[in-house]
Amino acid sequence: GENVEQHPSTLSVQEGDSAVIKCTYSDSASNYFPWYKQELGKRPQLIIDIRSNVGEKKDQRIAVTLNKTAKHFSLHITETQPEDSAVYFCAASRVNSGYALNFGKGTSLLVTP
Amino acid sequence: DADVTQTPRNRITKTGKRIMLECSQTKGHDRMYWYRQDPGLGLRLIYYSFDVKDINKGEISDGYSVSRQAQAKFSLSLESAIPNQTALYFCATSESTSGSYNEQFFGPGTRLTVL
Repeated sequence: GENVEQHPSTLSVQEGDSAVIKCTYSDSASNYFPWYKQELGKRPQLIIDIRSNVGEKKDQRIAVTLNKTAKHFSLHITETQPEDSAVYFCAASRVNSGYALNFGKGTSLLVTP
Repeated sequence: DADVTQTPRNRITKTGKRIMLECSQTKGHDRMYWYRQDPGLGLRLIYYSFDVKDINKGEISDGYSVSRQAQAKFSLSLESAIPNQTALYFCATSESTSGSYNEQFFGPGTRLTVL
């Protein structure tokens, strides 16, 4: 089955700096890669996703890049703010897996003022 | 998301007890999922369902069973709870669009403790 590795497990940055979280996946058939943000005590919420026919996607301060050849994808957050502090999960999925998501283990991001 | 609800929100039970976690949604979504979250392990898929007649095992289905009573309801049962099933359980839903991926919306979670 699909194996998603996520690094780092914890990340601390100063407000205004950039944060990068990286994920690798094992199944070359995976073609959908969402990122979820989970604030303390809350449910995961989708923040951005990318499909395999696209190499990069941006939404304001958040961007995701995908390298299918290397089987890795990354989340980039620019101009970080304290409210970006949360746990971030990457995931991978493919059509014939039932659209179910295989999640990485998460990155705890702390943005200090 | 207020349209996906889970009951109970917290539950403490004893080893060997049968317990049911319930998920309801008013989004009109066909697809429903049960995930388990453990600290440092991310979310792992237990079961998923595409419609009332279609139920599939996920990565960690052993020790669990599910029931899709209606399009809007998907229940997770632990027939004989054991301590290593202590975890945070999330239900999720998504639209059903053939050949397409759609965002999964998560419920608020149920924190289960098995003593």
